Parts: sequence; C-alpha cells; structure tokens
Amino acid sequence: DVKVTQSSRYLVKRTGEKVFLECVQDMDHENMFWYRQDPGLGLRLIYFSYDVKMKEKGDIPEGYSVSREKKERFSLILESASTNQTSMYLCASKKQYEQYFGPGTRLTVT
Amino acid sequence: DQQVKQNSPSLSVQEGRISILNCDYTNSMFDYFLWYKKYPAEGPTFLISISSIKDKNEDGRFTVFLNKSAKHLSLHIVPSQPGDSAVYFCAASYEGGSEKLVFGKGTKLTVNP
Repeated sequence: DVKVTQSSRYLVKRTGEKVFLECVQDMDHENMFWYRQDPGLGLRLIYFSYDVKMKEKGDIPEGYSVSREKKERFSLILESASTNQTSMYLCASKKQYEQYFGPGTRLTVT
Repeated sequence: DQQVKQNSPSLSVQEGRISILNCDYTNSMFDYFLWYKKYPAEGPTFLISISSIKDKNEDGRFTVFLNKSAKHLSLHIVPSQPGDSAVYFCAASYEGGSEKLVFGKGTKLTVNP
C-alpha cells in the first residue's frame, strides 16, 4: 500500500510566522503535489514537483514556496503566514494517473 | 476557467437507494477520469477510474459511466449506505499534458438511514 504521511494533523500559527509543512511518501514516486482544500472551492493545486529539485507552480502559488531535496520528501513553506492561508493542506504523490493523498494538515493562522 | 465541473454541491439520498453524482468537463483532451471520496479531516481516497476508451467501469457497488460526446461522467452507488456519506471529487487528466489532475469542486453526499 502507498503511504503518504504529513508531519502534523493540526497546526496553529501566528500571522507573520514562517511555516513548514512536511510530506513523505514511501513508494519512490517521482511526482508529488501540494493542494489546499477550502469549502466550496474544492482542491486547488499550489505547487507540484516531478523530480528532485524540480518544481512547478500550480494554480495558486502566491504566498507559498516548496522544497524537494530528496525524492521521498516534499515540503511546503509559508514564508510569512497570513490569516487567508488558514486551510486544509493536502499532499499527494502520483503513480501513473492516480494520486495518493496524505491525511491532511489543518492549519489555522491567527 | 473551470475545466471540470460538479454542478451539485450536495445530494441527499435514502439508504438502499441509488446515488448518482455528476461531473462535466470542457477539455476534449482529457482521457482519464477518476473519482475520489473524502471524509472530514482526512485526505481524499481513490475510489474508481475510467479511461476514455471505455464507457463504463464497475467495482462492486460503484459504477462510473462516461459519455464522451456529452463530455459527461457520472458515478452510481448502488445500494447507498450511510458510510458512503462524504464529499466526492471528480478529476481528469490527459496523457501528454502536465502531471496534474484537474479536480471539480466536489459534491457532498448524505445517505440517510
């Protein structure tokens, strides 16, 4: 079974803090993704990576950056957290057409 | 521009009856379609998929139908169970495109006992 883990299930941060969300997959997948899910807006792609040190912007990259130093690990960085970044963050890795998701991190920025 | 649309934000059905969730797409290059199920506070889980060379794929209680001429797909759940209550996302992809899946906004299904 594919396993995608995320470092935290729940996180509370203050406005202006730098936030790191970590994601690890154990299936040697090349492609990894970061989404945020908000009510009524579905899943929106923030960034994705198709190889180590390679990244591409998704639909809503503003305010975020990513890091992929090792194949199994894909990090999402909020350089200066803002209240409008309060959301559920979902990491996924991809095998062929299917994406496998982690359990999500519920981030609250106060 | 929303390439994958789920026009019903919510659907309520009785236990034992059929649930039909609909999805429309605009990009004729899409050649693979997936349905994901998501419970609150959990990540989406893959449910069923269909390639554009088929018009139907069945897995137990779940069947996906694809109508390419109408650019429409639907997920049928028969019989519906209370444990099926979740948000269902439709997603699409195409070979030769980027590695992304394009997701709809989801339909919240409630199955009443």
